[in-house]
Amino acid sequence: QQQVKQSPQSLIVQKGGISIINCAYENTAFDYFPWYQQFPGKGPALLIAIRPDVSEKKEGRFTISFNKSAKQFSLHIMDSQPGDSATYFCAASTPSGGYQKVTFGTGTKLQVIP
Amino acid sequence: DVKVTQSSRYLVKRTGEKVFLECVQDMDHENMFWYRQDPGLGLRLIYFSYDVKMKEKGDIPEGYSVSREKKERFSLILESASTNQTSMYLCASSFWRQGKEKLFFGSGTQLSVL
Repeated sequence: QQQVKQSPQSLIVQKGGISIINCAYENTAFDYFPWYQQFPGKGPALLIAIRPDVSEKKEGRFTISFNKSAKQFSLHIMDSQPGDSATYFCAASTPSGGYQKVTFGTGTKLQVIP
Repeated sequence: DVKVTQSSRYLVKRTGEKVFLECVQDMDHENMFWYRQDPGLGLRLIYFSYDVKMKEKGDIPEGYSVSREKKERFSLILESASTNQTSMYLCASSFWRQGKEKLFFGSGTQLSVL
């Protein structure tokens, strides 16, 4: 059962454009929503994260928009650059015993063309 | 700089072989994880450990076991490798501070089972 649905699977954006990746979740117990960025040959790295008590979080060119009632959240990359070409994973986590159980989306491969 | 090191970048094994994937972290994190990454399926949790000699099954533990004899080292074991275990394996460690969790991933081991 896919608890975090991510779309699109792949995305091509021109340099300077806006990249938008969407995720939807089902489990209302999720209380933390991180995004991870993965470059080829590397492991994923935390990019930005949000808690459900805010509707938006911005860090530089990266913004998370969060809609709690719709159980959806999205990543916006403004002024997309070729260096942003990577695979992006949304995730959602919930407390489970002594740690946070993290569920990942299926990933979006972003290509930014010059 | 924080580091999660996986012993092999590429590994080729035969069906039926016993396979060991090693992971070491230098951040003194309590939690360590093994994920497998497959195209279109995202990252799926195999096993995790929240303390030395402690282990918990993740979402897809069948065909795998783990060992954590020291805090910094977490090993994934394929008791009898099968072709459907061909995948990218990612080790991670994490901390949970002030309501925020951050996973630190290794660069991955691409395992091919022939």
